[in-house]
Amino acid sequence: DTEVTQTPKHLVMGMTNKKSLKCEQHMGHRAMYWYKQKAKKPPELMFVYSYEKLSINESVPSRFSPECPNSSLLNLHLHALQPEDSALYLCASGSPGQGADTQYFGPGTRLTVL
Amino acid sequence: GENVEQHPSTLSVQEGDSAVIKCTYSDSASNYFPWYKQELGKRPQLIIDIRSNVGEKKDQRIAVTLNKTAKHFSLHITETQPEDSAVYFCAASENTGFQKLVFGTGTRLLVSP
Repeated sequence: DTEVTQTPKHLVMGMTNKKSLKCEQHMGHRAMYWYKQKAKKPPELMFVYSYEKLSINESVPSRFSPECPNSSLLNLHLHALQPEDSALYLCASGSPGQGADTQYFGPGTRLTVL
Repeated sequence: GENVEQHPSTLSVQEGDSAVIKCTYSDSASNYFPWYKQELGKRPQLIIDIRSNVGEKKDQRIAVTLNKTAKHFSLHITETQPEDSAVYFCAASENTGFQKLVFGTGTRLLVSP
């Protein structure tokens, strides 16, 4: 399996809702990433997990809470989001510690916050 | 931290022409430079990458060149086809061990038949 999968594809939520985004990869990669992409902009790094431990948090607000239950799964828990958080949320995976390896992106979850 | 600039922001060519997209980076420690193609509503897909120990890499109609001294790298697409139309992002990897990609602002390429 050479793909990163993400669910759901689309999500609409109110500002008081709690929801979760899910990401899965079976390529044996030990680094997983969350990116946020606004329209007509490049992906912006949010979090990096390396060997299931949070390695980088790019000063993301606490209403976004990442979780890495195991080496194949990555979740992003959402709570009390704002309309400006509406964006495409991309997951990626790669292999850390090998001199900068390729990152493979999932198809993303398009999030709309009402 | 790393900063990547990308030009042009839009590029329109006729089918069969060549297209060139240029990026510059600021951190001389960056050592990995991938290019991603993103079609509307789709995921970014890696199309080619280059590491700092190589000056040029080709894959069929696509090539990337790297000038470490000047800190710039370029994407060259020859014999463009309408299906090449997409947004192209360059990126540079900060040498942190976690492959922290910093992306350029993107180039919208339109190939007209």
